[in-house]
Amino acid sequence: GNSVTQMEGPVTLSEEAFLTINCTYTATGYPSLFWYVQYPGEGLQLLLKATKADDKGSNKGFEATYRKETTSFHLEKGSVQVSDSAVYFCALIPTSGSRLTFGEGTQLTVNP
Amino acid sequence: GAGVSQSPRYKVAKRGQDVALRCDPISGHVSLFWYQQALGQGPEFLTYFQNEAQLDKSGLPSDRFFAERPEGSVSTLKIQRTQQEDSAVYLCASSLGLPFDTQYFGPGTRLTVL
Repeated sequence: GNSVTQMEGPVTLSEEAFLTINCTYTATGYPSLFWYVQYPGEGLQLLLKATKADDKGSNKGFEATYRKETTSFHLEKGSVQVSDSAVYFCALIPTSGSRLTFGEGTQLTVNP
Repeated sequence: GAGVSQSPRYKVAKRGQDVALRCDPISGHVSLFWYQQALGQGPEFLTYFQNEAQLDKSGLPSDRFFAERPEGSVSTLKIQRTQQEDSAVYLCASSLGLPFDTQYFGPGTRLTVL
């Protein structure tokens, strides 16, 4: 079946540090890949997405590249801010479906 | 424009009670999804509608769970004879219905079963 594995959290960084959150997936064919973010007290929001191999999704300084050869979609940001503190979820929609399959989420805390 | 709304935001039920959770999708969105999110976990798929048709209900954990969307807009998730293991946040999402379309999530309903 389809699955998403994220690096375990929580992750704690200082402001302006470099961020990487690893995500790998298992799926047949060419799924679409997503990063969602959940800020404290708020609902899930789409952060970025990529729908085919080698695509790079980007938004708000975050980037992730769809790597078919390594079945990965790692999230990166060059300089995190306190306001980036949230839970980040990697997810996929398989080629043949519509439902999202999520990873377990990674809690990020950025300290001033 | 208005996003996905859900009501109530919080619900406390005694074990054995029936509950009904409501979702108002974004106007014009064809597809509607329900997910269940246990504490500290990622959301898990429950069921999916395209307009009024329930195309996939494979994620519903038992026959106590029932969802409907009779007019292709508002949806209700009903849980009969609630159990403690039903305690979770129930998320609704909607999308335009195109393949791999972005799903927009509501704030969720936090259900606590005592």
